[in-house]
Amino acid sequence: AQRVTQPEKLLSVFKGAPVELKCNYSYSGSPELFWYVQYSRQRLQLLLRHISRESIKGFTADLNKGETSFHLKKPFAQEEDSAMYYCALGEGKLIFGQGTELSVKP
Amino acid sequence: DGGITQSPKYLFRKEGQNVTLSCEQNLNHDAMYWYRQDPGQGLRLIYYSQIVNDFQKGDIAEGYSVSREKKESFPLTVTSAQKNPTAFYLCASSIVPGQGAHEQFFGPGTRLTVL
Repeated sequence: AQRVTQPEKLLSVFKGAPVELKCNYSYSGSPELFWYVQYSRQRLQLLLRHISRESIKGFTADLNKGETSFHLKKPFAQEEDSAMYYCALGEGKLIFGQGTELSVKP
Repeated sequence: DGGITQSPKYLFRKEGQNVTLSCEQNLNHDAMYWYRQDPGQGLRLIYYSQIVNDFQKGDIAEGYSVSREKKESFPLTVTSAQKNPTAFYLCASSIVPGQGAHEQFFGPGTRLTVL
């Protein structure tokens, strides 16, 4: 069965520290993976997708098929990165993980 | 801040009542989706529609119904059969799925509370 797991409900780091939000998936076939972000009082929006291989707001995510992971990373966290982050799998119809709340402290 | 809109922002319902949540989009997207967001559970798909007059059940469709009479509109009815309807409901839309990865655009959400 297709599944997305985000093991951390809350991740708290200090400003300037590296951050890694974990995402593991189960999928038979070639997965299409996304990271969505929800800032306080804003809509859920796409942050990045694995096929683009791009860096958005300093975040990157690499698909590791061997470990079935798509972890989101940023070398130096900023306070404005504080938000709810969701990993998602699929094509059209998406399967979302449980979400990780990132809190960046000054 | 158009694109995809949801109304009302807050909705209160008494037990035993049906309520309908509105979702409208002016993005000319073929596909529309309804999700339920609960703390610690992420987003769970209720129903989705890839074309007018057609829709499919998602993972948690029991107690919900939808219609797709117009491309722009995808209303969700929460029926009295839904045992735990208090939640935050999100509507989304995208261009035709099944042709690669497409971004879903989300509405601002409706918070439903059953009294």
